[in-house]
Amino acid sequence: DAEITQSPRHKITETGRQVTLACHQTWNHNNMFWYRQDLGHGLRLIHYSYGVQDTNKGEVSDGYSVSRSNTEDLPLTLESAASSQTSVYFCASSVSRFYEQFFGPGTRLTVL
Amino acid sequence: AQSVTQLDSQVPVFEEAPVELRCNYSSSVSVYLFWYVQYPNQGLQLLLKYLSGSTLVKGINGFEAEFNKSQTSFHLRKPSVHISDTAEYFCAVSETPGGFKTIFGAGTRLFVKA
Repeated sequence: DAEITQSPRHKITETGRQVTLACHQTWNHNNMFWYRQDLGHGLRLIHYSYGVQDTNKGEVSDGYSVSRSNTEDLPLTLESAASSQTSVYFCASSVSRFYEQFFGPGTRLTVL
Repeated sequence: AQSVTQLDSQVPVFEEAPVELRCNYSSSVSVYLFWYVQYPNQGLQLLLKYLSGSTLVKGINGFEAEFNKSQTSFHLRKPSVHISDTAEYFCAVSETPGGFKTIFGAGTRLFVKA
């Protein structure tokens, strides 16, 4: 069965370190998204991609970057982790930018 | 610009009672509408969606939602809830055509009590 996976599921890091969160989907979807989920804010879009070599900033992109070298993967990098980036991160994919999204299980990141 | 408002942050309800989770949106163009459910420590799953056609949409686990264009609402309902329905529910909107992404509401936590 097709799926979307994230790794690691839990990560503790220190302020200032670079961190990369992996997202891999086997749906063959062109569209991929990264969100962060914080209490009281719901889901906020960090970055998104509509295909290989395409990346776009979302509403909370400062301090994050992504790259898309193939259809299956969209890694999210925190260039210099900050305590404000402690959150749960979700990756998602969709066949169309307007249709439903399929979500990964999430990565809980703690920045100390 | 589109926005989504979920009117209740938390909804406590007794088992076997009916429930309605409210969602209003703002948009100047046609929209696609979605409800997702998130169980503890899991990602979001699609409950149901409205793309076009009948305004009453049925989803999984006995949930349904009604699209009301004049009131720009897409409320989620279930006639009789179970303990297992305890979860967070998110309403989401995508504009069509021309929209570039889906906007999610802040979520409503449904807590079903025995």
